[in-house]
Amino acid sequence: QKEVEQNSGPLSVPEGAIASLNCTYSDRGSQSFFWYRQYSGKSPELIMFIYSNGDKEDGRFTAQLNKASQYVSLLIRDSQPSDSATYLCAVNQDTGNQFYFGTGTSLTVIP
Amino acid sequence: EAQVTQNPRYLITVTGKKLTVTCSQNMNHEYMSWYRQDPGLGLRQIYYSMNVEVTDKGDVPEGYKVSRKEKRNFPLILESPSPNQTSLYFCASSFTAAGEAFFGQGTRLTVV
Repeated sequence: QKEVEQNSGPLSVPEGAIASLNCTYSDRGSQSFFWYRQYSGKSPELIMFIYSNGDKEDGRFTAQLNKASQYVSLLIRDSQPSDSATYLCAVNQDTGNQFYFGTGTSLTVIP
Repeated sequence: EAQVTQNPRYLITVTGKKLTVTCSQNMNHEYMSWYRQDPGLGLRQIYYSMNVEVTDKGDVPEGYKVSRKEKRNFPLILESPSPNQTSLYFCASSFTAAGEAFFGQGTRLTVV
């Protein structure tokens, strides 16, 4: 069983729409949750992190965490073509520095 | 500029020829990791280090070695590379155990 699962997509949304990206994880002991964006051929860069149940907003991005359902999501409002990338969900179980990544969701924002 | 630097960026080698990929960070981070990224499998952690001389296995450590003799450096060693180690490798560092990871530019390794 994979530790972290994401829908690989591709997900296409029109410019200006809301993009919704989802992630589930298997270990109930997971404590820290991250969303990274990766452009083709580039290294991952952090978009958001969330530690507590509920919503966390940062500009056009909102991360949502539901530990009971073992579910974390990322909403991108007013999507822009520059948001077209692969989004990686990552989970840390607070046992040292061990991270588990999902396989990523490819997002395309259509102008 | 805060950064994680990997070298080389691209490497083609032959089966069995020992190689080292270097990683250096200038942010004084305690924690460093190595990942490999393969299509359909995502990023998988190879090894991580919590401080100088403290390392531990990640998800896919077989065929790899690491060392952490200085805080800033965390080289990845392939003693006898095989074609199934052809991959895109990333080094990352973070200030805390569960904190944001800063990634290097990546090393694309091909073993023939």
